[in-house]
Amino acid sequence: DAKTTQPPSMDCAEGRAANLPCNHSTISGNEYVYWYRQIHSQGPQYIIHGLKNNETNEMASLIITEDRKSSTLILPHATLRDTAVYYCIVRVYTGTASKLTFGTGTRLQVTL
Amino acid sequence: DARVTQTPRHKVTEMGQEVTMRCQPILGHNTVFWYRQTMMQGLELLAYFRNRAPLDDSGMPKDRFSAEMPDATLATLKIQPSEPRDSAVYFCASGLVNPGNTEAFFGQGTRLTVV
Repeated sequence: DAKTTQPPSMDCAEGRAANLPCNHSTISGNEYVYWYRQIHSQGPQYIIHGLKNNETNEMASLIITEDRKSSTLILPHATLRDTAVYYCIVRVYTGTASKLTFGTGTRLQVTL
Repeated sequence: DARVTQTPRHKVTEMGQEVTMRCQPILGHNTVFWYRQTMMQGLELLAYFRNRAPLDDSGMPKDRFSAEMPDATLATLKIQPSEPRDSAVYFCASGLVNPGNTEAFFGQGTRLTVV
């Protein structure tokens, strides 16, 4: 699976949009981009995933560049409860190899 | 509200003792993952199962760790004998894996302390 690079930490003011970048320059054509987050002392939580089109759900939006070498997770109106470590993962489903490999993630701190 | 259930939530044991951690995956999910999280190593995949069959346990120390799925409602992770370096939070996750979707739902974890 392709390696990802994320900034170790970011700050965001409550109510503002949080834009979390992820670089995955070695991504292959059949690899998906997944985002998870982990709030302190809890298990990771799925946020969103995509292949090449931008995606949106009730939690966030995922913007993938046309060359798919990077992506941005957008939390449109960050709240204090969004403070967490956010993981960007790229992986391929082969029918047997479907593991999720977590990197070090971005620690997002939402402040008043 | 379907969720992955892990027991126990906390476990303190002495070095050399056997530890068994249990996981009840979400009903209908066909894949179960075991992860270990420490401050130093982050989230590490230990093993995962598809339809109760082990697919990959390369992340697991074979001499002391074992993972099984006796049935579709129970996954277990055993450590025998336990060592202080095994102290970590162990997460179980389950998912219904198919092409294009490998969303995994995580449990709350078992915090293991080996003294």
